[in-house]
Amino acid sequence: GAVVSQHPSWVICKSGTSVKIECRSLDFQATTMFWYRQFPKQSLMLMATSNEGSKATYEQGVEKDKFLINHASLTLSTLTVTSAHPEDSSFYICSADRLAGAPRDYEQYFGPGTRLTVT
Amino acid sequence: AQKITQTQPGMFVQEKEAVTLDCTYDTSDPSYGLFWYKQPSSGEMIFLIYQGSYDQQNATEGRYSLNFQKARKSANLVISASQLGDSAMYFCAMRPSNTGNQFYFGTGTSLTVIP
Repeated sequence: GAVVSQHPSWVICKSGTSVKIECRSLDFQATTMFWYRQFPKQSLMLMATSNEGSKATYEQGVEKDKFLINHASLTLSTLTVTSAHPEDSSFYICSADRLAGAPRDYEQYFGPGTRLTVT
Repeated sequence: AQKITQTQPGMFVQEKEAVTLDCTYDTSDPSYGLFWYKQPSSGEMIFLIYQGSYDQQNATEGRYSLNFQKARKSANLVISASQLGDSAMYFCAMRPSNTGNQFYFGTGTSLTVIP
């Protein structure tokens, strides 16, 4: 199967510091990766779409200078929350698309999520 | 505009009974995929079932089946023989072909299985 990992699974940081979250596709190449944010008891909210080798496309209302996304390779995308504040505390989930033509290429594979707490 | 609606914030079902979770959608794209995901308290999104807009038959995956009514734009999830481990949040999602591979998620339904 297609596996997506995220690291770390949880992180606590102090207000004003930056945190980097990694998203890796372990056994497949992902041309596109997505970053979601989920508050308690709410749905997933798409933050941005990242394509390997190009700039991420951010959804309306998401600050690109605060949430830096880098998709350096076909298996790795990173989300850096810069100058984190308590309101950035949330559950961040990444997902990845397989290359078109791969089995079940209609499916999006989700990472296990990263729980960020900013104190 | 793309929209997914789940009108049941919470549902209860007796163990071993069947339960239907509702989902309606709206899209102008003639080609789209419909998905159901389960999210337990651990937070991971678990893929359950997929239905393509051109699929003639309703999708089934073990105890999960998708009741796809295209004219009504509904894609209800049926879970048969509920188990205690089925207690979780369930999200319906749509993926139109012409939106850059973006998923649109519903607000979710919290399912509790009662022993």
